[in-house]
Amino acid sequence: GQQLNQSPQSMFIQEGEDVSMNCTSSSIFNTWLWYKQDPGEGPVLLIALYKAGELTSNGRLTAQFGITRKDSFLNISASIPSDVGIYFCASLTNTGNQFYFGTGTSLTVIP
Amino acid sequence: NAGVTQTPKFQVLKTGQSMTLQCAQDMNHEYMSWYRQDPGMGLRLIHYSVGAGITDQGEVPNGYNVSRSTTEDFPLRLLSAAPSQTSVYFCASSYAGTGNEQFFGPGTRLTVL
Repeated sequence: GQQLNQSPQSMFIQEGEDVSMNCTSSSIFNTWLWYKQDPGEGPVLLIALYKAGELTSNGRLTAQFGITRKDSFLNISASIPSDVGIYFCASLTNTGNQFYFGTGTSLTVIP
Repeated sequence: NAGVTQTPKFQVLKTGQSMTLQCAQDMNHEYMSWYRQDPGMGLRLIHYSVGAGITDQGEVPNGYNVSRSTTEDFPLRLLSAAPSQTSVYFCASSYAGTGNEQFFGPGTRLTVL
């Protein structure tokens, strides 16, 4: 199946620092999605991207759909303790029926 | 709205036992899906459905069956559990169409001994 390579695998940062993570694929996708998963919960959608080059913000979060359509980036500015969790990128097959998830980036914010 | 509900929250099985993981949604979503989440591997799609009476295989379907007799319910059946099926299982639903937001249930943690 498709493989989304997400990096870094984990991050330990001080509160107030900015965070950057990315997701790459060998395949071209038409949609990129970023989810956050809190411990013991299901993932929750943060940002959805539908067009190559698109840059979208949601509060302190900003995500971009790479021009090559093979990658996407998520940035978190001025991190706070509640940003702790696992962040997943995801994308869809061209039929729009099958989602593929990256392996996740575990974020720890040190107060 | 209750959103997406899953039962049970925890389950321990012995190898060879069968069981059904329940999933229900009250948002009238056409699309429903099952994922398993294993450490370091993200979520992998097991089966999905684009509407009542329609199901299809995802990335890792072996050992699992599904059916979709109603819009609301999408049960996942393990016919003969194996230790390799120890995982956390998530059900999700969304409106049909590319990239529509999936809403996830709280998960079922399954251990097969």
